[in-house]
Amino acid sequence: QVQLVESGGVVVQPGRSLRLSCAASGFTFSNYGMHWVRQAPGMGLEWVALISYDEYDKYYADSVKGRFTISRDTSKNTLYLQMNSLRAEDTAVYYCAKDLTAYTRLVPFDQWGQGTPVTVSS
Amino acid sequence: DIVMTQSPDSLAVSLGERATFNCKSSQSVLYSSNNKNYLAWYQHKPGQPPKLLVYWASTRESGVPDRFSGSGSGTDFTLTISSLQAEDVAVYYCQQYYSTPYSFGQGTKLEIK
Repeated sequence: QVQLVESGGVVVQPGRSLRLSCAASGFTFSNYGMHWVRQAPGMGLEWVALISYDEYDKYYADSVKGRFTISRDTSKNTLYLQMNSLRAEDTAVYYCAKDLTAYTRLVPFDQWGQGTPVTVSS
Repeated sequence: DIVMTQSPDSLAVSLGERATFNCKSSQSVLYSSNNKNYLAWYQHKPGQPPKLLVYWASTRESGVPDRFSGSGSGTDFTLTISSLQAEDVAVYYCQQYYSTPYSFGQGTKLEIK
């Protein structure tokens, strides 16, 4: 069955960097677009970034553009989120999620990981 | 950017009764070329990842009970639970995937009355 397992969430000081990972299994990772979505404490869901199945498209929320970078390593079936210049408002649980259908764009997310918590605090 | 607005913010419904969630987008999410609404609904329970319930505004995801149904087109959408069960307590989000940045509504919290 499909599994998405996030890791890398820690407590980090403002201005520092962090890389999150999402290990994928149970499906052909290279065929699906992938996303990062976050939920700040007491808040709703916020889409953060996407990378298309072919890596051609990468898009970001305005709140993280220029600071976060999404990437994938198909040889390791792993999705990454490099987060630089972290701010207190980046504190959240970060989820990775996969597209519903393969070889497509503009589709919803059918599988999500359990999330990894990131706390930005001095 | 498309802004998604849900109403109400919270909802209390008796077991066995109907629950209705509303979602409005700031611009149409209907693609005229394929007549599809790029709108999904998710259920989010504490300590769990979000779960996809409905996509294309009215297509129920595999395994989702048929008491959940979605409707609407263009800018106005509704998710309905026909007969509320205790396990349906959660926060419900609508999401547009018509264009980036993808966006979620603020969520509607469902409780048992």
